[in-house]
Amino acid sequence: AQSVSQHNHHVILSEAASLELGCNYSYGGTVNLFWYVQYPGQHLQLLLKYFSGDPLVKGIKGFEAEFIKSKFSFNLRKPSVQWSDTAEYFCAVNSYNTDKLIFGTGTRLQVFP
Amino acid sequence: KAGVTQTPRYLIKTRGQQVTLSCSPISGHRSVSWYQQTPGQGLQFLFEYFSETQRNKGNFPGRFSGRQFSNSRSEMNVSTLELGDSALYLCPPCRNTEAFFGQGTRLTVV
Repeated sequence: AQSVSQHNHHVILSEAASLELGCNYSYGGTVNLFWYVQYPGQHLQLLLKYFSGDPLVKGIKGFEAEFIKSKFSFNLRKPSVQWSDTAEYFCAVNSYNTDKLIFGTGTRLQVFP
Repeated sequence: KAGVTQTPRYLIKTRGQQVTLSCSPISGHRSVSWYQQTPGQGLQFLFEYFSETQRNKGNFPGRFSGRQFSNSRSEMNVSTLELGDSALYLCPPCRNTEAFFGQGTRLTVV
């Protein structure tokens, strides 16, 4: 069965620090990969997605993620975080022929000024 | 911009009751899925519907059921509510594999 693991449950950073959130998935076939963000009191928004092609994907607000097929990983990165990045981040995967998303448990990011 | 309207936004029910949640995606979305979000479990997949047919089902008990209508509107029903069913229920429509989440319905079971 598909599963997604997010290694960091709670991350605390100061502004301007670099961010990397880990995400590993288990599935043997072709997958689509996503990072969603949920700001306090708001609904889930798509940060970025990977379907195929260049494994380095750029998303909104300066985020990027790298798909490493051999490691079944899709880590999220940002070189310099801002206080406004405080939110919960979810990694998700689905197989190419379905819209069913399997989510990780989420990583809560707190950024202090 | 959210691609869906869910009603009601908030709901309080008593244990043992049943509840029906409604989901109206923006027209053109033929696929809709339902998810349960709780602080402890995160987001868990309930069902997926495409053109009125259930295409996938998650690992939830039979008390949870759903359906989709010809106009793409979807409903989810939960019978014999339990305290643990308290959660945010989301039904993002999908297009090109991307899910468009809205505010959801927050169900509280007391």
